[in-house]
Formats: sequence, C-alpha cells, structure tokens
Amino acid sequence: EDQVTQSPEALRLQEGESSSLNCSYTVSGLRGLFWYRQDPGKGPEFLFTLYSAGEEKEKERLKATLTKKESFLHITAPKPEDSATYLCAVRGGFSSGSARQLTFGSGTQLTVLP
Amino acid sequence: ETGVTQSPTHLIKTRGQQVTLRCSSQSGHNTVSWYQQALGQGPQFIFQYYREEENGRGNFPPRFSGLQFPNYSSELNVNALELDDSALYLCASSATGDLGEQYFGPGTRLTVT
Repeated sequence: EDQVTQSPEALRLQEGESSSLNCSYTVSGLRGLFWYRQDPGKGPEFLFTLYSAGEEKEKERLKATLTKKESFLHITAPKPEDSATYLCAVRGGFSSGSARQLTFGSGTQLTVLP
Repeated sequence: ETGVTQSPTHLIKTRGQQVTLRCSSQSGHNTVSWYQQALGQGPQFIFQYYREEENGRGNFPPRFSGLQFPNYSSELNVNALELDDSALYLCASSATGDLGEQYFGPGTRLTVT
C-alpha cells in the first residue's frame, strides 16, 4: 500500500525566511510524485510533477526535488501570498494496483508573516 | 481553455438521504477521478472513470457510485448518507488515467446532519 508522510504539519515563516517542506513516500513502482497547493475551501492547484530521483523543477520561489525515498519543496524568500497548504501525492505502479489514483499526504500548512 | 467545474458549491443533507454531485472536466480531458477530503486531511481516492466506465476504485463502500457521460462530464452519487460523509468532494480531470497530472475543481462541500 502506497504511503505518503509530510512534515512539518504546520510551518510559520517571516517574509523572506527560506525553508523546506518534506514529503517521505513508500510506493511500489513510482509513476510520478506531485506537489499541489491548496487554499482554504478550494481545490488543489497543480504545481509540479517529478518522475525520477535527481529530478528538479522550479517555479518562481518554489523548487521541488526528488530522491528515492523523499521529496523536498524548497521555498526561497517567501511572501505572504505563498501562505497555503502544500500537498504531496504519489502515483504507484500497475503491480500495486495504484496506477490510476493519487495517494496524498496530509499536507503542510504554511503561514508567511509580513 | 475551460477548467474543471463542480456543482453545487455547498450542500446540506440529512443522514439517510441520497446526494448527487456533478463535475465537468477540463477541455481535452477524457478521464475523471473523484476524491473525498476530510477537514485537515489530504484527498482520498474514491474512483476513476474513463470512457464512461469505472476503471479504478479506492476503499469506499458500494453506496458511493458514479457515472461518466459521452461529453466526459461525471456524477458522484452517495446513498444512505452517514455523518462521516461530511467532507469536501473533489473532482479531478486528466488527459490519461494512469499517467500525468490531475487537475482539480473547486470542490463541493457536503454537510450531513
């Protein structure tokens, strides 16, 4: 069974204070690790897909990296508008029966103070 | 390009009743997945529809059922509502069922009293 654990559960940063969010995963035959951003009461917004260890993706102040056991979402010089819950999800392989679903972690609630 | 839309936005039902939630997929996407998100948790996979057939299901009982129509829109039906069914129900569309990104709609907030 695929499992995703995110840490920390909540993170408060001052504007401009860089940090990283962690996503540890267990999956049979990884077919993608996904990062989403979710604002309160709204649906998740897609950010990145990573497929293999060593891969990196960047978008504005966000950078996602992937190893064989975990992924990091690095936030550089965050702004208050970056405040949201960040969700990590994995898609497993056909042998594990999870190729058609995303298995999500519980998320990290990020608050950036001005 | 039109994104994923869901209706209604909010819904209040009584335990034991039945509910139908609706989703229109993003233009060009033929696969729809449904998720349940409890407060403070990540979304949980309910099932996926591709070409009008269910082709994947999570650990949800049979009282959760769905439909997909020829235009790729979809419905989620829940019978015999229980208090624990109170959650945000999310629809996600994708270009394929087993690869690539899923794009989510805004969700339907269901409250069961």
